[in-house]
Amino acid sequence: DAGITQSPRYKITETGRQVTLMCHQTWSHSYMFWYRQDLGHGLRLIYYSAAADITDKGEVSDGYVVSRSKTENFPLTLESATRSQTSVYFCASSELEETQYFGPGTRLLVL
Amino acid sequence: QKEVEQNSGPLSVPEGAIASLNCTYSDRVSQSFFWYRQYSGKSPELIMSIYSNGDKEDGRFTAQLNKASQYVSLLIRDSQPSDSATYLCAVRRNQGAQKLVFGQGTRLTINP
Repeated sequence: DAGITQSPRYKITETGRQVTLMCHQTWSHSYMFWYRQDLGHGLRLIYYSAAADITDKGEVSDGYVVSRSKTENFPLTLESATRSQTSVYFCASSELEETQYFGPGTRLLVL
Repeated sequence: QKEVEQNSGPLSVPEGAIASLNCTYSDRVSQSFFWYRQYSGKSPELIMSIYSNGDKEDGRFTAQLNKASQYVSLLIRDSQPSDSATYLCAVRRNQGAQKLVFGQGTRLTINP
């Protein structure tokens, strides 16, 4: 089915472990985004990508790494998870100046 | 000062009444404005976008933009219980930019 998917949908990990969240879109959108959502903060941009192999930091990028070797995939890696990274993570995609469409989200708990 | 500010609520409105949601932004060069609806446990979905001063209507929803006052609002007429959700205001700075800045959202409850 066309759309944007995220995996896993739920993840529990421990402090210090590496975690990778996956995002896949079937629209061939140029732009992809990673946000985190926490109570009282709304959606905050972690990283975004304008095309394959082009990525840039958002406002809360410390502790996160992204890559985009293929247009349709945009994985987000937490190199060494911390409790402060417990959050709901949303991936989104869009074309230039068009609507951003969001994936279903990944709920991450870091113990 | 946050770049995009919303009253976090909760805002409680009786069924059938008009719900009014407000958002202010600090960057005067902002060009594009969006309202997303987010049901509990779900992802945000776009319900309205507005780019020019004035009103834009879509069914029961009206977005209002006043760039001089740096203010954007969303009116929901004939509110229904299914409108109960968190409403996120988002701002895009200029043409060609893709990044959105979101407010913290307003939680709206429609009481039957």
